[in-house]
Amino acid sequence: QKEVEQNSGPLSVPEGAIASLNCTYSDRGSQSFFWYRQYSGKSPELIMSIYSNGDKEDGRFTAQLNKASQYVSLLIRDSQPSDSATYLCAVEGGGATNKLIFGTGTLLAVQP
Amino acid sequence: DAGVTQSPTHLIKTRGQQVTLRCSPKSGHDTVSWYQQALGQGPQFIFQYYEEEERQRGNFPDRFSGHQFPNYSSELNVNALLLGDSALYLCASSNDGEANYGYTFGSGTRLTVV
Repeated sequence: QKEVEQNSGPLSVPEGAIASLNCTYSDRGSQSFFWYRQYSGKSPELIMSIYSNGDKEDGRFTAQLNKASQYVSLLIRDSQPSDSATYLCAVEGGGATNKLIFGTGTLLAVQP
Repeated sequence: DAGVTQSPTHLIKTRGQQVTLRCSPKSGHDTVSWYQQALGQGPQFIFQYYEEEERQRGNFPDRFSGHQFPNYSSELNVNALLLGDSALYLCASSNDGEANYGYTFGSGTRLTVV
């Protein structure tokens, strides 16, 4: 059973701090990894993708991938109250469909 | 350019009834995937349609069925509704043959079964 594991949280950080969100996955063959942000009652929104080991930065967001450890993380710098949401880690499940396997998400609360 | 559109946005059904949800893919996309997201869970893959056929299916019973039309739009049908089918149903479109850069989801249909 291919799985994606996340700590459900809540992760509480003060405004302006760095939020660190983590994810592990079980399928060593996975090649594509994604972070989605989901506000309460809304659909998931793609915020980062990463395909190679190392770091990928986009504005205040940095995704980190370590395929040897089967570990993906998302760092949010200068956290804002508007970043408060559930962050979903998704891993491409392989096969012809490129389906995504999601974790259960981590709830992030940024305190003003 | 319209993104992925889903209808209806909300739906309330009674146990045992049948429901049809609709999805129009983003312009230029030919593949539609459906996901179910129960409260407090991540989205779970139901199935994917390409060239009007179901290409792959997740771990969902046969009560869940779908269809893709020649214009690439898609329907998700659920028969004999159970309380446990209450969830947010998400549609995502993509272009077959392109690398997976991550799906863009529609706004979803919130189904409540009472």
